[in-house]
Amino acid sequence: EAGVTQFPSHSVIEKGQTVTLRCDPISGHDNLYWYRRVMGKEIKFLLHFVKESKQDESGMPNNRFLAERTGGTYSTLKVQPAELEDSGVYFCASSQARDGYEQYFGPGTRLTVT
Amino acid sequence: RKEVEQDPGPFNVPEGATVAFNCTYSNSASQSFFWYRQDCRKEPKLLMSVYSSGNEDGRFTAQLNRASQYISLLIRDSKLSDSATYLCVVTAFEGGKLIFGQGTELSVKP
Repeated sequence: EAGVTQFPSHSVIEKGQTVTLRCDPISGHDNLYWYRRVMGKEIKFLLHFVKESKQDESGMPNNRFLAERTGGTYSTLKVQPAELEDSGVYFCASSQARDGYEQYFGPGTRLTVT
Repeated sequence: RKEVEQDPGPFNVPEGATVAFNCTYSNSASQSFFWYRQDCRKEPKLLMSVYSSGNEDGRFTAQLNRASQYISLLIRDSKLSDSATYLCVVTAFEGGKLIFGQGTELSVKP
């Protein structure tokens, strides 16, 4: 069974540019989560989709971040315009359960904003 | 105050040593508790769930004390391959979002 995949693995962009990250969850997993780790800090929750609906977006830093999950399959996370403090590793995770159990993480996208 | 706090690292131990990690969490309504392992530049992977009754998986033993809001992980007979960052993780009282501690780095030396 294929795991969670993320694209790209690395992205280097300039401040003010736009970047779109993609996550493909494990097939059949209704729950999809985005997390982020900035340097020196703990991994932090960004948002949670159940199928195509946003269940919890309390962790989204500001309105420069837009997440979508059209059709309840893959998800995208767009940062526009990117700022220096957006640099970090963005992880996606998926699960069948909604209670936090068995979240499988993707390899992450390392974003560097210069 | 951070929601999940862990021992600062790194822990440098010889092979065969026993090492203990401690973690406290601030939200008494937290529902579920886990230890994750993260290798350098890799994604976090679930090591084990933690239950009030304690649970063991081979060389790994996890304990939860809800009264003191304390979680522990004990690794016995440590191996070189145990070198990684260990993340203490809890879930919020609703939904499935994971709340991570900053992690404790373990380095097992020959």
